Amino acid sequence: EPEVTQTPSHQVTQMGQEVILRCVPISNHLYFYWYRQILGQKVEFLVSFYNNEISEKSEIFDDQFSVERPDGSNFTLKIRSTKLEDSAMYFCASRQTGGTDTQYFGPGTRLTVL
Amino acid sequence: QQQVKQSPQSLIVQKGGISIINCAYENTAFDYFPWYQQFPGKGPALLIAIRPDVSEKKEGRFTISFNKSAKQFSLHIMDSQPGDSATYFCAAGLGNAGNMLTFGGGTRLMVKP
Repeated sequence: EPEVTQTPSHQVTQMGQEVILRCVPISNHLYFYWYRQILGQKVEFLVSFYNNEISEKSEIFDDQFSVERPDGSNFTLKIRSTKLEDSAMYFCASRQTGGTDTQYFGPGTRLTVL
Repeated sequence: QQQVKQSPQSLIVQKGGISIINCAYENTAFDYFPWYQQFPGKGPALLIAIRPDVSEKKEGRFTISFNKSAKQFSLHIMDSQPGDSATYFCAAGLGNAGNMLTFGGGTRLMVKP
């Protein structure tokens, strides 16, 4: 069964450093999403991406964040200058167009900012 | 107005019992209500979903009940099994906004053998 994959599974970084989280969505999906989950809290929407542009973003997704689909298969989330409060589990999700609403989530990347 | 409130935060049920998790929303524009199951170290996986034009949807042991006027929906797990022990999240989606999902706070379910 096709699945969303994410790398790395765990990323440790120093405050102020840039990180790039990578996702490979399911191959025939066209909508892509990033969510985050701070330990013990609920899953929060960050951004949705369709047709090579951002379609929606939340208040969390400020200028420090950016997304890109660099090569037609990968979907990346970049955090330019990480803060301690960026420590969280980051989930990528993808959705097929054509009337279905199901979002398929990847296993997540645990980001730890020291 | 975008909030989705979920209760209880944790639930312990005996094997064979019924697990009931409730959610309430505020934004009447939501038009898609999925439930996700999450095991430790894994991403959320879709369990079952409903649209507001029906009041109930059943898939195997899992049933969603939806009350549009009360802006509430609930998940019922019949004949709960130890393998159902996981965290359950309700969510609400806006179809005209790329279907971004707003999640509830989660319910940690433990089914005792």
